[in-house]
Amino acid sequence: EDQVTQSPEALRLQEGESSSLNCSYTVSGLRGLFWYRQDPGKGPEFLFTLYSAGEEKEKERLKATLTKKESFLHITAPKPEDSATYLCAVLGGATNKLIFGTGTLLAVQP
Amino acid sequence: DAGVTQSPTHLIKTRGQQVTLRCSPKSGHDTVSWYQQALGQGPQFIFQYYEEEERQRGNFPDRFSGHQFPNYSSELNVNALLLGDSALYLCASSPDANNEQFFGPGTRLTVL
Repeated sequence: EDQVTQSPEALRLQEGESSSLNCSYTVSGLRGLFWYRQDPGKGPEFLFTLYSAGEEKEKERLKATLTKKESFLHITAPKPEDSATYLCAVLGGATNKLIFGTGTLLAVQP
Repeated sequence: DAGVTQSPTHLIKTRGQQVTLRCSPKSGHDTVSWYQQALGQGPQFIFQYYEEEERQRGNFPDRFSGHQFPNYSSELNVNALLLGDSALYLCASSPDANNEQFFGPGTRLTVL
């Protein structure tokens, strides 16, 4: 069964303190791994798509990487406005549904 | 370019009632998916519509039904509401089944 596990569940950082979020996945025939940012009470905001192992994508202070079993979202010198829940999802096999993890709640303190 | 829009923003219903939620996809997108997100959880797939037909369905009972119109907009209907149906309902659109899905702001449904 396709599955996505994110860790840690919650992360508190000081402004400027870099760290990484983990997304481990089990899926038959990965067609895409997606990272989203979600603010409280809002819909998820698309960040990155990764398709194959070794691929990397960057956007401002965020960098996403992909291996055959997991993906990392690296946050460099975070700012308070980066505080949000970060969701990872996979699309695999013959299915058209995104399988989401439960997310990592990131809090960046000034 | 307007993104995905959903209405209403919030809704309060009582057990046993029926509700209809609406979604307009991003311009150029013809595939619409619906998700249910409980507090503290990731979104759970309900179903996906393409060319006015339900293409795939998640593990939700038949009380959950939907429709897609010729202009690609979509509705989610839930009958015989239960307390456990209280959640954020998200609509997502994509240009096809293999691309990233873009989400709307959601409809917060509270069942009393």
